[in-house]
Amino acid sequence: QVELQQWGAGLLKPSETLSLSCSVSGGSLTGYSWGWVRQPPGTGLEWIGEVNHSGGANYNPSLKGRVSISIDTSKSQFSLNLNSVTAADTALYYCTRGGGIYYYDNWGQGTLVTVSS
Amino acid sequence: DIQMTQSPSTLSASVGDRVTITCRASQPISTWLAWYQLKPGKAPKLLIYKTSSLQSGVSSRFSGSGSGTEFTLTISSLQPDDSASYFCQQYNTYPLTFGGGTRVEIK
Repeated sequence: QVELQQWGAGLLKPSETLSLSCSVSGGSLTGYSWGWVRQPPGTGLEWIGEVNHSGGANYNPSLKGRVSISIDTSKSQFSLNLNSVTAADTALYYCTRGGGIYYYDNWGQGTLVTVSS
Repeated sequence: DIQMTQSPSTLSASVGDRVTITCRASQPISTWLAWYQLKPGKAPKLLIYKTSSLQSGVSSRFSGSGSGTEFTLTISSLQPDDSASYFCQQYNTYPLTFGGGTRVEIK
């Protein structure tokens, strides 16, 4: 049973960098993509991007180059960095397991990130 | 981007009712559609993938259908534990996109 355990800072000031990490246990990173999805308060889900086990990544163009997702297979974890955050980046962030252009069959519990001055 | 439009945004039904949620894609996505259940404080749960395939461990009360641009998620007999938000997701094309969600309430 794959489990995703995520962590990171929950309160940021505008212009700071959001950094979240997700640890994978109970399964291999190989053969899957590892992604991030967020849910702003009161709205729907937004795909942020994903990385494969080799480090190749795809991102949502709406984030205009602010996003970077990396993977460390030796530690069985992957990370999200989103720079120059604003209040619009306030959301519940989830890490996920997928398979490329695919659905997500495993999700982390979510981390609430609030951006406020 | 492919826009996913869900309806209704909220529905209220009684235990035992048959409930249907609709998801429409702004362009054809074949059958590359998934459904998720979200509850506060819990990890989202994959219910259905490839439009109608039931994820392992998910109750057979959930079913999906459709193709092209119109899809449905049906709960055959609503149970109290089904009180949640439901989202569709297309995975035909990057960027992956989700519907706006449907909140299901129990009367």
